[in-house]
Amino acid sequence: GQNIDQPTEMTATEGAIVQINCTYQTSGFNGLFWYQQHAGEAPTFLSYNVLDGLEEKGRFSSFLSRSKGYSYLLLKELQMKDSASYLCAGLDSNYQLIWGAGTKLIIKP
Amino acid sequence: EAGVAQSPRYKIIEKRQSVAFWCNPISGHATLYWYQQILGQGPKLLIQFQNNGVVDDSQLPKDRFSAERLKGVDSTLKIQPAKLEDSAVYLCASSTRGTGTGELFFGEGSRLTVL
Repeated sequence: GQNIDQPTEMTATEGAIVQINCTYQTSGFNGLFWYQQHAGEAPTFLSYNVLDGLEEKGRFSSFLSRSKGYSYLLLKELQMKDSASYLCAGLDSNYQLIWGAGTKLIIKP
Repeated sequence: EAGVAQSPRYKIIEKRQSVAFWCNPISGHATLYWYQQILGQGPKLLIQFQNNGVVDDSQLPKDRFSAERLKGVDSTLKIQPAKLEDSAVYLCASSTRGTGTGELFFGEGSRLTVL
């Protein structure tokens, strides 16, 4: 079956760095998305990886290893506004998104 | 550019009643999705439209849920009759890419509470 695994909750300190991991099992693979979702709001797009390696976008970076079925989202210089859920989603061979349950990130001062 | 519009934002109904949600995607976006998101879970795809045709409705409980996208623009999702387990946020999203590989733009969602 298809599955996306990510930690339920993580806590980090303002100004620090945090890495949110995601492992995926999909029928075929056409890329990996990360979305941010603040409480009570809609998900917003953060990144898309289809090739191995690290994609950097400001304070946020996303990494993909297709051979390991693994991705991570790296957040640097954490700010209080980064407190949110981070959703990992894999795109399968039918171009359907398989969503994880999300990782709730709590930032402490 | 206007985002994805959804209404109503909140709805409270009793079980066995009916409810309808409306979505207006970003202009020019051919692909429209309805997702159900239960608290603490990731979004679950209910139905995907490409223009006014259905691409995937395999997870839509067709005995009680229905959706349409007339003229390939606005869409309506209906639940009749509602059950307690339908309490969730119903998210509408749209994208530009025909096969749905592009970034999804989500609306703010319609939060349904079934009592």
